[in-house]
Amino acid sequence: DSGVTQTPKHLITATGQRVTLRCSPRSGDLSVYWYQQSLDQGLQFLIHYYNGEERAKGNILERFSAQQFPDLHSELNLSSLELGDSALYFCASTTRILAGGANVLTFGAGSRLTVL
Amino acid sequence: LAKTTQPVSMDSYEGQEVNITCSHNNIATNDYITWYQQFPSQGPRFIIQGYKTKVTNEVASLFIPADRKSSTLSLPRVSLSDTAVYYCLVGDRLNGGSQGNLIFGKGTKLSVKP
Repeated sequence: DSGVTQTPKHLITATGQRVTLRCSPRSGDLSVYWYQQSLDQGLQFLIHYYNGEERAKGNILERFSAQQFPDLHSELNLSSLELGDSALYFCASTTRILAGGANVLTFGAGSRLTVL
Repeated sequence: LAKTTQPVSMDSYEGQEVNITCSHNNIATNDYITWYQQFPSQGPRFIIQGYKTKVTNEVASLFIPADRKSSTLSLPRVSLSDTAVYYCLVGDRLNGGSQGNLIFGKGTKLSVKP
C-alpha cells in the first residue's frame, strides 16, 4: 500500500457519460498529480494541484476537469466520454524521500476506465 | 524541466547486470535525477534518486558522471520479476513540494528472459 488511495479501481461506462475519479494523497502530502495511461502508452501528465491550487496543466482535454479540496483529496471529472478515453488514470502525491533531495512521486494503484 | 532520452527497449537474461542509460543534456544545476519502475497495470514506483557521482540502495545503483548530462541505472543480477518499464525523470528540488508538471518520457521496456 503506497498510501495514495484511488477510487474506484474499475469503472465501466458508456460513451457520452460523465464519471468522477477520486484520489486521497499520502498523509501530509500537499501535491496531487493526475496522469492518463492508455494501453501500451506512456504516462501522460494531465494536471497538478498544490494545496488546493492548480499549478500546472498538461495535455488535459476541455472535457476533463479536476479540483483539490480543503482536505487535500482530489477529483478528476471526465465528461462526454469517448471510446478513446478508456485508460488507466493514476494520481500521485509528492514526498521527500531523501533529506535535501528532490520530491518523489508516490502513485496510487490507478482507476481503470472502460468506455463502451 | 530537462528533457530525457532513453532506449525504447532492452533485453536481458536472468542473473545478468543491466545498465539503462538516460540522456539529459539540458539538466540544470538544481536538478535531481530520479528513476521509477512500472509493472503492467500498476503505478510507477520510486527506485533511486541522485544528484552526482554514485548512489546505491538495496535495489539499484545510479551512476552520474561529472557533467551530469547522462545517468545510468544499474540493476545487479536481474530476475524475471525485474521485467518492467523504467523511467528517468529530471527535476528540481523545491521547497514545499510545489513542483510544476512532471513529465514522464516513454521509458525503457526491460524484458528479462530465463
